Amino acid sequence: GAVVSQHPSWVICKSGTSVKIECRSLDFQATTMFWYRQFPKQSLMLMATSNEGSKATYEQGVEKDKFLINHASLTLSTLTVTSAHPEDSSFYICSARDLEEGLAIYNEQFFGPGTRLTVL
Amino acid sequence: AQKITQTQPGMFVQEKEAVTLDCTYDTSDPSYGLFWYKQPSSGEMIFLIYQGSYDQQNATEGRYSLNFQKARKSANLVISASQLGDSAMYFCAMREDTGNQFYFGTGTSLTVIP
Repeated sequence: GAVVSQHPSWVICKSGTSVKIECRSLDFQATTMFWYRQFPKQSLMLMATSNEGSKATYEQGVEKDKFLINHASLTLSTLTVTSAHPEDSSFYICSARDLEEGLAIYNEQFFGPGTRLTVL
Repeated sequence: AQKITQTQPGMFVQEKEAVTLDCTYDTSDPSYGLFWYKQPSSGEMIFLIYQGSYDQQNATEGRYSLNFQKARKSANLVISASQLGDSAMYFCAMREDTGNQFYFGTGTSLTVIP
């Protein structure tokens, strides 16, 4: 299957600082990338859908100014958590779809390995 | 209404036995896809199996099979010959043909007992 990487895999930061998480599709072009947040023992919560070259679409309740998403190229999307606070501590997962392969409905999402953010 | 419902927060199975993880879904879209993912403690999401709404046969991938009952809107995952390495969280997901978004269930934590 296609490979999606995330960097960093874990990060610890002080409250008030900003943290950038990168999501890269390594062997395919991803016109759409998704950002999820997952709290311990809970399901994935979609935060936003990122489309290359356009503004991200945020889910209801997700602060756009808090979670900045940039999808600058077909292989890279970034999530910046601005002025992070302890309640932002979570597991952030990105995924990407390869729309070049077959029918859209059959295209699974390829997930990155996730980034564990801890805000002190 | 929940798009995906997984009613089993936790399941236990004896090693080498089979186990069924339940998943029901809700959609009015005639075309959709159903997915199962495994998430071990490392956090990565591992794709297991896919079932399309128009597929006539149940999907199978090695020890994984999907018991697709369209009229009941259920897509249960069957794991045969459980192994200790199968212990993980399992998520059922759906994507409707009309949309881009994946809907995830709340997950089932599977523990394989030696």
